Amino acid sequence: SQQGEEDPQALSIQEGENATMNCSYKTSINNLQWYRQNSGRGLVHLILIRSNEREKHSGRLRVTLDTSKKSSSLLITASRAADTASYFCATYPGFQKLVFGTGTRLLVSP
Amino acid sequence: KAGVTQTPRYLIKTRGQQVTLSCSPISGHRSVSWYQQTPGQGLQFLFEYFSETQRNKGNFPGRFSGRQFSNSRSEMNVSTLELGDSALYLCASSLEGEETQYFGPGTRLLVL
Repeated sequence: SQQGEEDPQALSIQEGENATMNCSYKTSINNLQWYRQNSGRGLVHLILIRSNEREKHSGRLRVTLDTSKKSSSLLITASRAADTASYFCATYPGFQKLVFGTGTRLLVSP
Repeated sequence: KAGVTQTPRYLIKTRGQQVTLSCSPISGHRSVSWYQQTPGQGLQFLFEYFSETQRNKGNFPGRFSGRQFSNSRSEMNVSTLELGDSALYLCASSLEGEETQYFGPGTRLLVL
């Protein structure tokens, strides 16, 4: 079974709005990563945050990590229609194995 | 650099048959991991190979197996297919010690 739970399961917003997705996990981690998947295709790595980091930015993405609460959030600012996809958090306990969350389906309408 | 490639992209099989899926990693990547994605169970880790050795295995029955060749290309095999094996099978490669994985487009398997 999956380790992570993501919230919300689905999110619908207008272009230009911000989108926030949350991820909770169960065990200790080395790092947490976020991936995007378009229409059942392969996953694309977005950002990695290490267990000793609290916040990280990459372009329009902002990720936070709270290891005391075992949770992370992904914020996409100024969303575009091209951001429409499913977003997954993945914890990395080691050994080249990613443990994925349930995913959030984001729909950005023009 | 070319990305991770997977063949075939789509496959239809019947129950009881076996199937072999292929994955070519990014050049220089020696670690190859396989994942199964289904609507019910989501993304689940199958196994990981490095230098032709399986280093890590997920919680799947023995019908699921894999191997890696000296050029780092990997294959996974599913024997005695069941309806529940219908899924998107994703392959990912990474450099040794790198925590980020690079995914291929997947092979969509339908078992009838």
